[in-house]
Amino acid sequence: GAGVSQSPRYKVAKRGQDVALRCDPISGHVSLFWYQQALGQGPEFLTYFQNEAQLDKSGLPSDRFFAERPEGSVSTLKIQRTQQEDSAVYLCASSLDAGGYEQYFGPGTRLTVT
Amino acid sequence: DAKTTQPTSMDCAEGRAANLPCNHSTISGNEYVYWYRQIHSQGPQYIIHGLKNNETNEMASLIITEDRKSSTLILPHATLRDTAVYYCIVRDYGNQFYFGTGTSLTVIP
Repeated sequence: GAGVSQSPRYKVAKRGQDVALRCDPISGHVSLFWYQQALGQGPEFLTYFQNEAQLDKSGLPSDRFFAERPEGSVSTLKIQRTQQEDSAVYLCASSLDAGGYEQYFGPGTRLTVT
Repeated sequence: DAKTTQPTSMDCAEGRAANLPCNHSTISGNEYVYWYRQIHSQGPQYIIHGLKNNETNEMASLIITEDRKSSTLILPHATLRDTAVYYCIVRDYGNQFYFGTGTSLTVIP
């Protein structure tokens, strides 16, 4: 059984560019979460989907960040006009249940904005 | 917003039990205690969770005090592969995980 996969694993963007980060959750998992992890810090919540519905986006740091999960499986986190402070590891997690009791994390995408 | 307090770092000898403490004095009745760990350059990994009773699985044991204001994660026989950052999280159903900065555990040969 495949786990959560994320692509690309590494992304270098010039300041001002748009980026799209992909998450493939475990098949059949209802919940999907995005986190941002800065160097030396724990993951910080960005947004949460239950199937295709985005139920919580309170952690998105600005309106440059946008996430979608149109068919309730694959999700994309898009960052427009990237800034240096966006440099971080972006983690995706999925959970079988709606409440996200046990979250399975992907390896993350390391974004570096130059 | 952190609801838990953990030591920044700990060492443990290989083969010995690793006991990782966590204080959560403001925990409410509906909040569970979760433990995750993160090995360098990987995503966090679920270890165990509990509400009131002590819990044990193939990875670890979770001991929660009677007043639920603190807990201890026990790795019974630590190996070098257990070197990681361990996060203690309190969470109500449906609410989000706040990871904090965790405890960096180093298992020493």
